[in-house]
Amino acid sequence: NAGVTQTPKFQVLKTGQSMTLQCAQDMNHEYMSWYRQDPGMGLRLIHYSVGAGITDQGEVPNGYNVSRSTTEDFPLRLLSAAPSQTSVYFCASGQGNSGANVLTFGAGSRLTVL
Amino acid sequence: GQNIDQPTEMTATEGAIVQINCTYQTSGFNGLFWYQQHAGEAPTFLSYNVLDGLEEKGRFSSFLSRSKGYSYLLLKELQMKDSASYLCAVMDSNYQLIWGAGTKLIIKP
Repeated sequence: NAGVTQTPKFQVLKTGQSMTLQCAQDMNHEYMSWYRQDPGMGLRLIHYSVGAGITDQGEVPNGYNVSRSTTEDFPLRLLSAAPSQTSVYFCASGQGNSGANVLTFGAGSRLTVL
Repeated sequence: GQNIDQPTEMTATEGAIVQINCTYQTSGFNGLFWYQQHAGEAPTFLSYNVLDGLEEKGRFSSFLSRSKGYSYLLLKELQMKDSASYLCAVMDSNYQLIWGAGTKLIIKP
C-alpha cells in the first residue's frame, strides 16, 4: 500500500498565481484533512472531509478551497497565492468519519510564495 | 482559548531516559495523541491515551492525568534515531485535534 501520496513535494509560486496540491490515499479512509505547519507553531487544520461529497472548514480556511469527489482524492486549491501561504502542507487521512482516529500523513509539500 | 504547551527543545544522551511533558487546556477532552516527526518528514503516530494512567509500547510509554491536564511521553534506552520532534495533540469536545508546537529532541552520543 502506498498510504497517503502528496504531490508536488516542492513548489515555488509568485504572488497571485494559483495551484493545486494533490492528495490521494489507498486505505479506503473516510476522513481526510489538510494541515499547514509553520515554524514554532502547531499543525493547523485548513479543511477536512468526512466522506465523499462532504467538506468543512478548519481553523485557517481562508485562501484555500477543497473538494472531495471520490473517497481516494482530496485536492487543496490555492486560488491566488500570497506570501503568508508559504508553509509546509500535509495531507492526512484516518479511518472513521471524524478526526477521532489515528492519522496517516503524506510526506508533505513545501510551498514558497514570492 | 485552547492551548497545548510543551517544551521547545530538549537534549539527552544516547542510552538514557527522557520525559517530554505536555500540558493542555481545551474545550472538552476526547483523547491525547503523541506523534513523532523526523526533520523534513511526515508525523507518524506513537500513542493514544484517553483514560488516566500509563500506556507502554516497547521503549516508549505515555502517561495521562485528565484532572491535571497533563501528559508525558517517556523514551527509554535512547537511540540516535530518536532525534526528532515529538508532537502532542488533544482531541477536543468537537473531535477536532489541537496540536502543540512540538518538542525537538536532540540525542548526543
